Amino acid sequence: EVQLVESGGGLVQPGGSLRLSCAASGFTFSSYNVNWVRQAPGKGLEWLSYISITSKTIHYADSVRGRFTVSRDNAKSSLYLQMNGLGVEDTAVYYCVRGFISSSGSYWGQGTLVTVSS
Amino acid sequence: DVVMTQSPLSLPVTLGQPASISCRSSQSLVHTDGNTYLAWFQQRPGQSPRRLIYNVSNRDSGVPDRFSGSGSGTDFTLKISRVEAEDVGVYYCMQVTHWPPITFGQGTRLEIK
Repeated sequence: EVQLVESGGGLVQPGGSLRLSCAASGFTFSSYNVNWVRQAPGKGLEWLSYISITSKTIHYADSVRGRFTVSRDNAKSSLYLQMNGLGVEDTAVYYCVRGFISSSGSYWGQGTLVTVSS
Repeated sequence: DVVMTQSPLSLPVTLGQPASISCRSSQSLVHTDGNTYLAWFQQRPGQSPRRLIYNVSNRDSGVPDRFSGSGSGTDFTLKISRVEAEDVGVYYCMQVTHWPPITFGQGTRLEIK
C-alpha cells in the first residue's frame, strides 16, 4: 500500500524556519517525481514545489521561491521542504503528493499543519 | 499562468439527484503531445484530496461510475449522476498541461439540501 506520511509541522513565529519531512513507503520512491501542495485554513489547494526523481529538475511556485527549498533522499525514501522566512500567510496544511495525472494513481499524505503566529 | 475557474462555488443537491460542476481554463489544456492534463479531485471534510478523474475523463480505480468527466480545450465538466451522502465535500479541477505552476480551481462545495 502506497503511503506518504508528513511530519515536522508546528507553531513557529513570523520570520522563523521549519523543515517538513515526508516518509514514503509501499512503492519505489526513487522512481517517482513528487510535489508539495498546501491548503490554508478554509481555503483551496495551492501547488508549491516539484522535484524530479534525481533532483535534477526542481520547480517552485512564485509565492515560495527563494524562501522554500525542496529536497529528497532516495536512500531514505524521504522528501523534505525547508521553509525559511515564514509569514502568517504560510499557515496551512502541507501535503506531499505523488502523481497528479499519472495513470498509476495520485497519492496524497495526510498533511502536516504549519501555524505561523506570534 | 493558467487560471482555472470553477462554477458554481456552492452546490446544494438533493440526494439521488444529478450534479454538475464546470471548470474553465484561461487557455487550451491540449498539450503538444495531444493529451489534455486535466484532473478532478474530491476532498471530503477532514480528509486529504482524492483524485477522481485524470486526463479529462479517465476514472480512477475505486471511484464509483456515477462520477464522470468530460470536456475539451478550455471547458470541462464533472458530473455525478445520482448524488449520495458520501459525496459531500469540495471538488477541485487541476491542470498540469502548462506548468509550472500547476494550478487548481477555487473549489466547489457540494452539500446535501
